[in-house]
Amino acid sequence: EVQFLESGGGLVQPGGSLRLSCAASGFTFSSYVMNWVRQAPGKGLEWVSTLTGSGTSTYYADSVKGRFTISRDNSMNTLYLQMNSLRAEDTAVYYCAKLLYPSGNIYFDYWGQGMLVTVSS
Amino acid sequence: DIQLTQSPSSLSASVGDRVTITCRASQGISSYLGWYQQKPGKAPKLLIYAASTLQSGVPSRFSGSGSGTEFTLTISSLQPEDFATYYCQQVNSYPITFGQGTRLEIK
Repeated sequence: EVQFLESGGGLVQPGGSLRLSCAASGFTFSSYVMNWVRQAPGKGLEWVSTLTGSGTSTYYADSVKGRFTISRDNSMNTLYLQMNSLRAEDTAVYYCAKLLYPSGNIYFDYWGQGMLVTVSS
Repeated sequence: DIQLTQSPSSLSASVGDRVTITCRASQGISSYLGWYQQKPGKAPKLLIYAASTLQSGVPSRFSGSGSGTEFTLTISSLQPEDFATYYCQQVNSYPITFGQGTRLEIK
């Protein structure tokens, strides 16, 4: 059974940093492109970032480019999102999500439970 | 960036009704479109991918159609558990984008 254990969310001041983690199990983690998607309170879904299985290729939304870094540790089956220079508009529930197929189109078939990140002074 | 516009933004319907939600893309995306269902406080659930392929385990009352710039999600006979918010998603090109959502409420 595919499962994700997300951690690292919480309250941070504007300009601060936070690192989110997503520990995966139940599938061959290193074979799959992995992703972060976020949802501001009461708003819709926003894709944040994608990382290939090998970790060599990354993709970012313009809203986070240069501030967020996606990475993974395939030996630990864990996906990360390092978030720097946080802004109030980064306040959201952050989900890690797995692709339907290892390296196919970016459809998300399994999602973590979500972590709330609140950026406020 | 490819913009997705869903209509309607909200919809009231009754159990047993047939419901259609439309998603229009700002440029052609072939069949690179997915549909998700989200219930309050829960992660989204993939219903349809590649515009018309039903994800494993999803009831057959859900169906998707379309290609290019216009797509539809149809629920043939609404069940109580279908009242939720629905999002379309394009995977044709980065950045991956979602529609603004359609909230389906009980009449």
